[in-house]
Amino acid sequence: QSALTQPRSVSGSPGQSVTISCIGTSSDVGGYNYVSWYQKNPGKAPKVMIYDVSQRPSGVPDRFSGSKSGNTASLTISGLQAEDEGDYYCCSYAGSSTLVFGGGTKVTVL
Amino acid sequence: QVQLVESGGGMVQPGRSLRLSCAASGFTFSSYRMHWVRQAPGSGLEWVAGISFDGSIENHADSVKGRFTISRDNSKDTLYLQMNSLRAEDTAVYYCARDYLGLGYWGQGTLVTVSS
Repeated sequence: QSALTQPRSVSGSPGQSVTISCIGTSSDVGGYNYVSWYQKNPGKAPKVMIYDVSQRPSGVPDRFSGSKSGNTASLTISGLQAEDEGDYYCCSYAGSSTLVFGGGTKVTVL
Repeated sequence: QVQLVESGGGMVQPGRSLRLSCAASGFTFSSYRMHWVRQAPGSGLEWVAGISFDGSIENHADSVKGRFTISRDNSKDTLYLQMNSLRAEDTAVYYCARDYLGLGYWGQGTLVTVSS
């Protein structure tokens, strides 16, 4: 149950695009199409932004998109906005009804 | 509307026990797999445990295996986390979450502090 690997931080100017990677193994990210992404701000509960690799829940802006290639999943925020600042976590099913999270990435809007 | 409300957190000494509860409303609780996720101060999210819709299958993270037990009472629409032999490193905000379309709904969290 090793945590998935995410960059500590990414940043971009308003309107730019940023991509967060999430590196796992064939036992988690690479083995299942059950990767989800969460936005976490201080004092608030996590909010799902993407589920099942690339599905966007209703109410999440379409500037958020997800993808996966091999053992690496990615979250892209296009047209970055100030309200997108926060910590983002990937999460993958890891077999035997277990989940594993990434270490988190801080998104800063310059 | 879907609501998950955690309770039972507080300050406890190392080695002692605590039971967290998560009261669900606004949906058919017995139809969904549920999880506990925690966030220690200054750290990231960590999956703690999950349980199937009927309680027949439960799994725990290696970090809590043998000390924590997840359970549910579908007649009471409530999820539980029994935490025994608590350690300082268990200090965290504990969230319950519903497993559907990702972890689509979360509670507001309950703080557990393990300290002498």
